[in-house]
Amino acid sequence: NAGVTQTPKFRVLKTGQSMTLLCAQDMNHEYMYWYRQDPGMGLRLIHYSVGEGTTAKGEVPDGYNVSRLKKQNFLLGLESAAPSQTSVYFCASSDTRDWPPTYSNEQFFGPGTRLTVL
Amino acid sequence: KQEVTQIPAALSVPEGENLVLNCSFTDSAIYNLQWFRQDPGKGLTSLLLIQSSQREQTSGRLNASLDKSSGRSTLYIAASQPGDSATYLCAILGETSGSRLTFGEGTQLTVNP
Repeated sequence: NAGVTQTPKFRVLKTGQSMTLLCAQDMNHEYMYWYRQDPGMGLRLIHYSVGEGTTAKGEVPDGYNVSRLKKQNFLLGLESAAPSQTSVYFCASSDTRDWPPTYSNEQFFGPGTRLTVL
Repeated sequence: KQEVTQIPAALSVPEGENLVLNCSFTDSAIYNLQWFRQDPGKGLTSLLLIQSSQREQTSGRLNASLDKSSGRSTLYIAASQPGDSATYLCAILGETSGSRLTFGEGTQLTVNP
């Protein structure tokens, strides 16, 4: 049981390049999330998904797109990278079963992707 | 808007000491509060989750309490060890924030041998 995995672990991009970050979970969770972590800003939600084929905007969605074609995968895309997108990106999933949550809704995080945009 | 504050930002203690980390939040309309540990360059590891109807949760040497009415949570670590050195984050799942967690900025703990 690998939990939440992310690829790649590190990446350096030039301004204007594009890339996709992949998140996979093997816990059969419906809900998945993408966060970014920046010094002095804490963790902020970019986008999330409440099930296969669904996506929703979080707190800081501009410049990012997401897709959830399979329940176990959640992809984060940067179409035209900017230096302001230099950050550590974390994917998470939760055992949420309904909303408002009547179950624990505990969130489990992946190891992160460290992205630098030059 | 929910705001989560963790004080102090950094804490250094000798090995064996019992310690308390603090988390305060501004909106008491929450579903749950979760404590995480983050080691340098690593992801977040969930330590404890307290539902809004609960007062505390325990796991090994860790005990987390929740006082919704005063907007406070504490994480108590008993008999601290150098391996406990990490950044500890608290996060709130609020009733008005969808499924988004609101994080504090963390307390960086160093336990000295």
